[in-house]
Amino acid sequence: GQQLNQSPQSMFIQEGEDVSMNCTSSSIFNTWLWYKQDPGEGPVLLIALYKAGELTSNGRLTAQFGITRKDSFLNISASIPSDVGIYFCAGQGRNQFYFGTGTSLTVIP
Amino acid sequence: GAGVSQTPSNKVTEKGKYVELRCDPISGHTALYWYRQSLGQGPEFLIYFQGTGAADDSGLPNDRFFAVRPEGSVSTLKIQRTERGDSAVYLCASSELAGVYNEQFFGPGTRLTVL
Repeated sequence: GQQLNQSPQSMFIQEGEDVSMNCTSSSIFNTWLWYKQDPGEGPVLLIALYKAGELTSNGRLTAQFGITRKDSFLNISASIPSDVGIYFCAGQGRNQFYFGTGTSLTVIP
Repeated sequence: GAGVSQTPSNKVTEKGKYVELRCDPISGHTALYWYRQSLGQGPEFLIYFQGTGAADDSGLPNDRFFAVRPEGSVSTLKIQRTERGDSAVYLCASSELAGVYNEQFFGPGTRLTVL
C-alpha cells in the first residue's frame, strides 16, 4: 500500500519548545488528517484538513494542507510532557486512509 | 465509555494456525475499518465495511485473510495458516457514516504474535 513520508522520524525537545513535523506524498489527496498514538492505544484524531491551503488550529496545534495537495505540516506550540507520543499524518484515498511512517516525539521536562 | 473495543488484546499463536480477531464498534456506527500496524510503521488499510457488506477489501494481503460483519455491528477478522510475517497490531476503527467528514474512532488493537 501507499505510505506517506513523514519527517523527522523522531524528535527530542525541551518542555516549552515549539515542534514542527511534515508529511509528503507522491499522490494528491483531498483530505489530510493528523493523529496521535500513545503506547498500547489506537490513533486519536487531532486535526482534519479538507481544503488545499487550509490552515486549522486546535488549541496548541496548528496544521496546514499544502497548496499542491501533496503535503501537510503540523506544529505544536509550547510543548508539554503529555505531548509525548507518535504522530501520524494520513491522506484519504477513495475509501481508505494512507498513513505516514510516524514522528516519535519525546518532551524532556 | 462506549468506545471501540477489540478482543483479545494479545494473541500468541503458532505458525500455520487459524486465528480470529474481534471488533466491537461504537453502537450505531455503520462504517467499520480494519488496519494492520507493523512495528515502527503507520496503520495500513486492510478492509472497510459499510453495514454488512465489504465495500473495499483491496488492502487484504492475500486469500488467507478474510473478514465478516454479518449483522452490521461486530466484525471478525480471520487469518488462516498464519505466518510469522502476520505478526503485527491489528486495529479496528468505526465511524458513524463512511466518507471524509466522518471521524474514525480506533480501538486499542489486538497484538498478534506468530511464533
